[in-house]
Amino acid sequence: EAGVAQSPRYKIIEKRQSVAFWCNPISGHATLYWYQQILGQGPKLLIQFQNNGVVDDSQLPKDRFSAERLKGVDSTLKIQPAKLEDSAVYLCASSSTGTGGGEQYFGPGTRLTVT
Amino acid sequence: GNSVTQMEGPVTLSEEAFLTINCTYTATGYPSLFWYVQYPGEGLQLLLKATKADDKGSNKGFEATYRKETTSFHLEKGSVQVSDSAVYFCALSQGTGGYNKLIFGAGTRLAVHP
Repeated sequence: EAGVAQSPRYKIIEKRQSVAFWCNPISGHATLYWYQQILGQGPKLLIQFQNNGVVDDSQLPKDRFSAERLKGVDSTLKIQPAKLEDSAVYLCASSSTGTGGGEQYFGPGTRLTVT
Repeated sequence: GNSVTQMEGPVTLSEEAFLTINCTYTATGYPSLFWYVQYPGEGLQLLLKATKADDKGSNKGFEATYRKETTSFHLEKGSVQVSDSAVYFCALSQGTGGYNKLIFGAGTRLAVHP
């Protein structure tokens, strides 16, 4: 079974530029998550999709961050414009269910550096 | 709100030493509890979980018991190996509107030397 795929693995941009990350979840997983992991901290949920609908985006900075999951499969996360404090690893995860004690499967992450 | 607190690292041990990484949580209701591990250059992997009080999760020689009375989920291993060197994250699953999200601790880096 293929795991969660993410690209790119690394990205360096200047502040005020835009950037997009892509995630392909495990086949058949209805729930997809984007997390932000700042150096030295645990991952923080940005947005959660159930199929192609958003179920939680309470911690997404909506003035600069956006995400979509067209057709309930792949997802993209965009930052526009980027700030220095957006430097972090962006993790995508998926699970077969968004409820109960279900396991989340994580991709390798995209390391973003904003200069 | 709900939160997870882990002991600060790094934790440095010699091979075959006993490992304990402390984790306590604050939560309303009865969350599920997890330990995730992140090996160098890899994504987070679920190590073990417990879904109700007094449950013991175990995997690869690691174990943790869900202690409701002390709101703790400490990770233990009797004899660590160099290959256990990684960052360990404690997490709880919090439900909102029928859907659960994970809340992570800050992580504890473990370095095991031969």
